[in-house]
Amino acid sequence: GESVGLHLPTLSVQEGDNSIINCAYSNSASDYFIWYKQESGKGPQFIIDIRSNMDKRQGQRVTVLLNKTVKHLSLQIAATQPGDSAVYFCAENVGNQGGKLIFGQGTELSVKP
Amino acid sequence: DAGITQSPRHKVTETGTPVTLRCHQTENHRYMYWYRQDPGHGLRLIHYSYGVKDTDKGEVSDGYSVSRSKTEDFLLTLESATSSQTSVYFCATVSGGAREAFFGQGTRLTVV
Repeated sequence: GESVGLHLPTLSVQEGDNSIINCAYSNSASDYFIWYKQESGKGPQFIIDIRSNMDKRQGQRVTVLLNKTVKHLSLQIAATQPGDSAVYFCAENVGNQGGKLIFGQGTELSVKP
Repeated sequence: DAGITQSPRHKVTETGTPVTLRCHQTENHRYMYWYRQDPGHGLRLIHYSYGVKDTDKGEVSDGYSVSRSKTEDFLLTLESATSSQTSVYFCATVSGGAREAFFGQGTRLTVV
C-alpha cells in the first residue's frame, strides 16, 4: 500500500477518551466540507460530510462542527479506539463537482491503549 | 474503495522517461480525478475528467497530461518525468449527482 510520511500536527489520546481534530479552511465560497481518514498504506476514506447551510452533523461516534464565521471545521470522535489511529484530513469543495477538493495538511491521531 | 484499481502500485523510473499511471473503476462513475500527495502539502488536484474525452486542469497540472477514452479508465501521463514528480498519486471517482469522492489505494512513483 501507499502512504506518505508527513510532518503533521499530532494528537495523542488515551483509548476511550474523546478526540477533537480541528481544521481551518480557506474559501468562503466553499459549500461542502468533508472529513477523510487515511490509514497507513491506504487512500483517504470518507468519514462524514457537512453542507454549508448546517453547523453540526452527527454520525456513528463522529460529529462534525462547522463555524463559517471563522472558517473553522472540527471533527469529534467519541470513545476513541486504537482503530481510529490514522491521519485525518479536512477537505472543502465549491460548486457541484464533489471530487474537486482542497485538502488541509492533515492531523495524525495516535490512540494509546 | 468503490471498485477503483490503480496500476502500477509502485514504480521507479529515470528522469526524462515517460510514465503512465492507470486508474480503472468498475462503478460507472462519471467524474474521475488525479491527486498527488506530498509531505507538507496534503493532497493536491492534478487533473480531472467529467466524462469521456472531457478533461480539465487542476491546481498542479504542469508536466502532466491525462486521457479518458472510456468511462472506466483515466490515464495520467508524465511526458518526461522529473524528480519533483516523485510522489504518491491517488485516483478518485464521484458518481454523477453525488458529492462523495472515493479514492484508490495509490501509486508510489519515484523518479531517480
